[in-house]
Amino acid sequence: GEDVEQSLFLSVREGDSSVINCTYTDSSSTYLYWYKQEPGAGLQLLTYIFSNMDMKQDQRLTVLLNKKDKHLSLRIADTQTGDSAIYFCAESTGNRDDKIIFGKGTRLHILP
Amino acid sequence: EPEVTQTPSHQVTQMGQEVILRCVPISNHLYFYWYRQILGQKVEFLVSFYNNEISEKSEIFDDQFSVERPDGSNFTLKIRSTKLEDSAMYFCASTGRGSRNTQYFGPGTRLTVL
Repeated sequence: GEDVEQSLFLSVREGDSSVINCTYTDSSSTYLYWYKQEPGAGLQLLTYIFSNMDMKQDQRLTVLLNKKDKHLSLRIADTQTGDSAIYFCAESTGNRDDKIIFGKGTRLHILP
Repeated sequence: EPEVTQTPSHQVTQMGQEVILRCVPISNHLYFYWYRQILGQKVEFLVSFYNNEISEKSEIFDDQFSVERPDGSNFTLKIRSTKLEDSAMYFCASTGRGSRNTQYFGPGTRLTVL
């Protein structure tokens, strides 16, 4: 069945780059997402990428997609304390009524 | 910027009681969803809703659950007889027209069943 896997924890020094990795199983995935969840808050859509793209850049965020290996990554440049959160990788087929399948989330901890 | 809102932010209830969780999706959106996140676990899909009917539901969404769009703005999730294992954060989401399935999530309702 559909599954999304990601590592649970990542610690990064302030100012360094953070790279969060994710793998997914559904070859029919059309949209791949990164959501951010700050403590006690909801799910904020950070960025998404179409499966026919291999890279998307949005300010400090870079998403890389290797469709052959079904591997997605999120790079956050110049990591700040405000980036401390849980980052969820997710996928869907892209039909408007289709569900999103989430990973367990990677908790990003920023070291001073 | 328009956003999805949910009320209440926290609901405490006794096992066996009925609860209704409320959501106001983004006003021009047509597709609505409920997800839940048990503490420390994945966000799981419960149900999708379009044109006043359920499009898809997961195996979690059993006969104890129902959804309704009682008026032009609210989208509700009802749990008829709550169980301890229903304790979770419940997220509502919506998406609009266009080719992209970009679901916008509300802040969630934390349900605690005692």
